[in-house]
Amino acid sequence: AQKVTQAQTEISVVEKEDVTLDCVYETRDTTYYLFWYKQPPSGELVFLIRRNSFDEQNEISGRYSWNFQKSTSSFNFTITASQVVDSAVYFCALRSPSGGSNYKLTFGKGTLLTVNP
Amino acid sequence: NAGVTQTPKFQVLKTGQSMTLQCAQDMNHEYMSWYRQDPGMGLRLIHYSVGAGITDQGEVPNGYNVSRSTTEDFPLRLLSAAPSQTSVYFCASSYSSLTGELFFGEGSRLTVL
Repeated sequence: AQKVTQAQTEISVVEKEDVTLDCVYETRDTTYYLFWYKQPPSGELVFLIRRNSFDEQNEISGRYSWNFQKSTSSFNFTITASQVVDSAVYFCALRSPSGGSNYKLTFGKGTLLTVNP
Repeated sequence: NAGVTQTPKFQVLKTGQSMTLQCAQDMNHEYMSWYRQDPGMGLRLIHYSVGAGITDQGEVPNGYNVSRSTTEDFPLRLLSAAPSQTSVYFCASSYSSLTGELFFGEGSRLTVL
């Protein structure tokens, strides 16, 4: 079985603050893929990043950065200098062979980030 | 630059009515799937397909049927709608079952009265 836990249900910050969204996953597989998606108020799901289990190198894309640590089964997402447009629900997700359904994408419950001006 | 297209975006049904949510993708993806999103439940897999003619059940398949006659299309059918099927439905596709990120449609909001 596989599981994704996003312990933070809601986070509220003031613009320009840094914020980290936590994601902890469970899988018995050695090969798996982790993802982050953004769901803005308009409702669509936007792909942000994919990381495979053999690549623990942190990634930075503009104000976004991701920290993948296999030792703690975590894949955290940091937004630097947050902006109002970052307000959204963010989902962490996992794809692994033991997840069944031909590698279904298992989502966490999501974290609602509100960035106040 | 269509990607994944879902129709309709909004629908209101009465209990017992049937309807089909349409999904089409133009990226030649083999893997397609349907998810439903409910408050506090996240996204849950309803049905999926790994290619034309091949479909299978996900976590919450009861009350839904699917078919995949072409690579492009993956419709979701509600045969007899129930209030418990009130939800937002997302169709998604990817180029690989394990490694690929899912590309999602814009979602279809369904209300069953």
